[in-house]
Amino acid sequence: EVQLVQSGAEVKKPGESLKISCKGSGFIFATYWIGWVRQMPGKGLEWMGLIYPGDSGTRYSPSFQGQVTISADKSITTAYLQWNTLKASDTAMYYCVRQNSYDHDLDYWGQGTLVTVSS
Amino acid sequence: EIVLTQSPGTLSLSPGDRATLSCRASQTVTNTYLAWYQQKPGQAPRLLIYGASSRATGIPDRFSGSGSGTDFTLTISRLQPEDFAVYYCQHYGTSPPMYTFGQGAKLEIK
Repeated sequence: EVQLVQSGAEVKKPGESLKISCKGSGFIFATYWIGWVRQMPGKGLEWMGLIYPGDSGTRYSPSFQGQVTISADKSITTAYLQWNTLKASDTAMYYCVRQNSYDHDLDYWGQGTLVTVSS
Repeated sequence: EIVLTQSPGTLSLSPGDRATLSCRASQTVTNTYLAWYQQKPGQAPRLLIYGASSRATGIPDRFSGSGSGTDFTLTISRLQPEDFAVYYCQHYGTSPPMYTFGQGAKLEIK
């Protein structure tokens, strides 16, 4: 069974750093693009970027380039989303997703990680 | 950059009704890369339709997708209580690789 299991909710202060994780199982992790999608409170879905764990190649949405870092460790089948300096506007639910290799749809989603940034 | 516009923003229907949700792209897109997702409150989205018209694994046949070019439709033939949710269309562009989502359409019980 394909699963993406994300790390738990986080509460941080502005200016702090954060790294959240997404562990994949039930598929060959290194051979699929893994992405992240943001959903701000009461809002729609925004694609942030993708990583190919096999060679750590990345693709970022222009809206998120330079704002976050996506990484992966294929040895433990885990992808990460990292911020160096959090802002209140980073408060959102973050979903990791698996990209289907043929049709490029997002066929599996993690349960989401809620990040709250507040002073 | 492709923009996806969904309509209506909110659709109020009763169980047993037929729902038709629209997704219009700002320029012609490839059917292969057009998908629909369902999101229920407090849950992650799930894939319903890929390639504009193919149902994802486990999706009931009352869900169907159609369209081409710039106009795409998600149809739910006989609404069940569990179908009331928010629906998103999504396009994948290849040059550069980029996902775009529609703003979402809420299907609510009348």
